Amino acid sequence: NAGVTQTPKFRILKIGQSMTLQCAQDMNHNYMYWYRQDPGMGLKLIYYSVGAGITDKGEVPNGYNVSRSTTEDFPLRLELAAPSQTSVYFCASRPDRARGELFFGEGSRLTVL
Amino acid sequence: GQNIDQPTEMTATEGAIVQINCTYQTSGFNGLFWYQQHAGEAPTFLSYNVLDGLEEKGRFSSFLSRSKGYSYLLLKELQMKDSASYLCAARYKLSFGAGTTVTVRA
Repeated sequence: NAGVTQTPKFRILKIGQSMTLQCAQDMNHNYMYWYRQDPGMGLKLIYYSVGAGITDKGEVPNGYNVSRSTTEDFPLRLELAAPSQTSVYFCASRPDRARGELFFGEGSRLTVL
Repeated sequence: GQNIDQPTEMTATEGAIVQINCTYQTSGFNGLFWYQQHAGEAPTFLSYNVLDGLEEKGRFSSFLSRSKGYSYLLLKELQMKDSASYLCAARYKLSFGAGTTVTVRA
């Protein structure tokens, strides 16, 4: 099993550009999450999904959009990139069971200049 | 609410014990996780508490008091490889605290 796969691992954007961070999992997990982590800080929840076709906002959704057309994929779109979106982005998934811990991707490091 | 508080930094000596505290808002609570994150890596799962009491797993133990909105992670027999950030996460939307950076010195 590949687990949670994120692409790209690194990206540099110019202010105002748009891009999509890809996330895919092969564990048939319904729950998926996008977090951002600024240097020396904890994880902040951007968006999450409890299943295909269902998404909801987290703590810091402004400037981002998500979709969940399949169980496997949960892409995160950045529109009009800003320097404040420079961060490491982590995608995670978890099984439905009550004790379901998060499985994280390796992260995508984004720099907006 | 999802206010989660934990200390920013802790330093301890190799072989010692360190206790990392975490407080959270109790409304809507249904479980608390601890994760370990080494610099430049993704977090990895350490423990999960949903009932009051102590859960022991090797050198790491986690405690929960639901009535007090309080948990701690206890790291025993510290090793240099335990130097990392430790994140407390409450289950409502899996909201994370800012993390506690533990530095283990020889």
